[in-house]
Amino acid sequence: GNSVTQMEGPVTLSEEAFLTINCTYTATGYPSLFWYVQYPGEGLQLLLKATKADDKGSNKGFEATYRKETTSFHLEKGSVQVSDSAVYFCALIRRNSGNTPLVFGKGTRLSVIA
Amino acid sequence: DTEVTQTPKHLVMGMTNKKSLKCEQHMGHRAMYWYKQKAKKPPELMFVYSYEKLSINESVPSRFSPECPNSSLLNLHLHALQPEDSALYLCASSQVEAGGLGDTQYFGPGTRLTVL
Repeated sequence: GNSVTQMEGPVTLSEEAFLTINCTYTATGYPSLFWYVQYPGEGLQLLLKATKADDKGSNKGFEATYRKETTSFHLEKGSVQVSDSAVYFCALIRRNSGNTPLVFGKGTRLSVIA
Repeated sequence: DTEVTQTPKHLVMGMTNKKSLKCEQHMGHRAMYWYKQKAKKPPELMFVYSYEKLSINESVPSRFSPECPNSSLLNLHLHALQPEDSALYLCASSQVEAGGLGDTQYFGPGTRLTVL
């Protein structure tokens, strides 16, 4: 079946540090890949996405590249801010496969300290 | 505009109450979703409506009753809930692709439900 594995948190970084959150997936076919962010007390916001191999999604200084050969979609940011403290979810959905659902990883909590 | 709105933001109800959660989107999306999220967990899918018809029900107890009155609105009717139903309830919407539901889902801010 389809699944997403992401690094367990919490991850604690100092402001301006480099961030990597690892995400790997298992899926048949060619899924679309997503990173969602959930700030404290809020819903999920789409952070970025990629729909085919070698695509790079980017937004707000965050980037992730769809790597088919390593089945990965790692999230990176060069310099984190306190305002980036949130829970980050990696997710996938299979295209052209009927009513298959969005599959989430377990989430990674990021805390950035000043 | 990629906004999904949900009301109310917070809801406290007793186990004998009847209440409803509401969700609205004006992006022209024809698929709408209800998710339940417990603390420190990812969202769990409850229901999916595609073209206003229920297409997925993930074995949700009958005390949760979804309704999709039109393509922009989605309701979740609650009756005789249990304390373990306390959670954040998220609504989402997406386009429907020719091959199924495989398009980007946009989420609302959620309703924080507490059952006493």
